[in-house]
Amino acid sequence: SQKIEQNSEALNIQEGKTATLTCNYTNYSPAYLQWYRQDPGRGPVFLLLIRENEKEKRKERLKVTFDTTLKQSLFHITASQPADSATYLCALDMNRSGGYQKVTFGTGTKLQVIP
Amino acid sequence: SAVISQKPSRDICQRGTSLTIQCQVDSQVTMMFWYRQQPGQSLTLIATANQGSEATYESGFVIDKFPISRPNLTFSTLTVSNMSPEDSSIYLCSVRRERYQETQYFGPGTRLLVL
Repeated sequence: SQKIEQNSEALNIQEGKTATLTCNYTNYSPAYLQWYRQDPGRGPVFLLLIRENEKEKRKERLKVTFDTTLKQSLFHITASQPADSATYLCALDMNRSGGYQKVTFGTGTKLQVIP
Repeated sequence: SAVISQKPSRDICQRGTSLTIQCQVDSQVTMMFWYRQQPGQSLTLIATANQGSEATYESGFVIDKFPISRPNLTFSTLTVSNMSPEDSSIYLCSVRRERYQETQYFGPGTRLLVL
């Protein structure tokens, strides 16, 4: 079955720097990969989706890359701010059932932006 | 997007009892899911709630333990039956507006502690 690996250790960076989070998967390449943000005590919030035929996707200060050869996605936050502190989850499709794709989530990486 | 509410937001329950969690969406959605997130773990899909028919359960989850109802396109319930301390977790409702939409929206979660 598909396995997702995210750095379980927290990532601490200085405000203003670029944060880079990594998501690796082990088996088949998914049709798409998503990134979510989760704050303590809250449900995940969708941020970005990148498809298998896309190399890079941007949204404001966020950038996602997708390398199907390396089986890896990188998630960048430029000019990071303390408000960016949260856990970031990688998610990708598992398999198709009943006509729709089910999604599996990584354990997430906790980002702490230090003022 | 979709606005999702869950009740209760948290509860403390005794071993052997049951708890029903409600999920209400602000508008009709095609797909509704129930996830569990144990401390330090990723989100695990319990089941897909199907309107008017039995839910579709993932491996390791059974209807007797997690009965699910979905009477219409905006509401679902998940019951955690005969609870044990191992059921202590956050339970999350999630939706997709359309079957083939990739983006999922999550409720705030229900934090359950079983003593």
